[in-house]
Amino acid sequence: KQEVTQIPAALSVPEGENLVLNCSFTDSAIYNLQWFRQDPGKGLTSLLLIQSSQREQTSGRLNASLDKSSGRSTLYIAASQPGDSATYLCAVPLGGGSGSRLTFGEGTQLTVNP
Amino acid sequence: GAVVSQHPSWVICKSGTSVKIECRSLDFQATTMFWYRQFPKQSLMLMATSNEGSKATYEQGVEKDKFLINHASLTLSTLTVTSAHPEDSSFYICSARWREDTQYFGPGTRLTVL
Repeated sequence: KQEVTQIPAALSVPEGENLVLNCSFTDSAIYNLQWFRQDPGKGLTSLLLIQSSQREQTSGRLNASLDKSSGRSTLYIAASQPGDSATYLCAVPLGGGSGSRLTFGEGTQLTVNP
Repeated sequence: GAVVSQHPSWVICKSGTSVKIECRSLDFQATTMFWYRQFPKQSLMLMATSNEGSKATYEQGVEKDKFLINHASLTLSTLTVTSAHPEDSSFYICSARWREDTQYFGPGTRLTVL
């Protein structure tokens, strides 16, 4: 059974800091891994999708890496801003691509203080 | 990206009543939709896979008679919480599969059972 874990559960940083969020998964035979953002009481916004053949993906100030063999992914946020405050979730498909059933981590609640 | 809507965005009901939540893909057809629930401070847990024109597939531990799912058209899936109880209070999020590697999430429905 695939289990996804995220560390830390919560993180508070001052504005401008670079930070790293961690995601680990128990079954390394994944098709891809996806990072989402969730604002309080809202749905999910997809941030980055890394295919199993890729090592990293970048979008603006966000960079996600994937190490399948060790079952780990990291989300790096550069020059954090108060608007980055949200819960960040990683997810892997239970089978097939990201259009399949997803298993989510518990999330990291990020607070960026002005 | 594609748009998925949910209705209502929030609902309060009395214990013992049934509540219907709608999930619509607004600008694409989705033969498959997924229903998740999220308790406060917790991650999303997959409840079931909704398949257009056929019965839904429920995850282990989810009561199919309590959470009725109907996917009557290519753009609409409904989740009915029957005989709701306070422990059913949660945030329900749907997603719609656009292709093998993509699914779009709705904004969620907050259910409070008194």
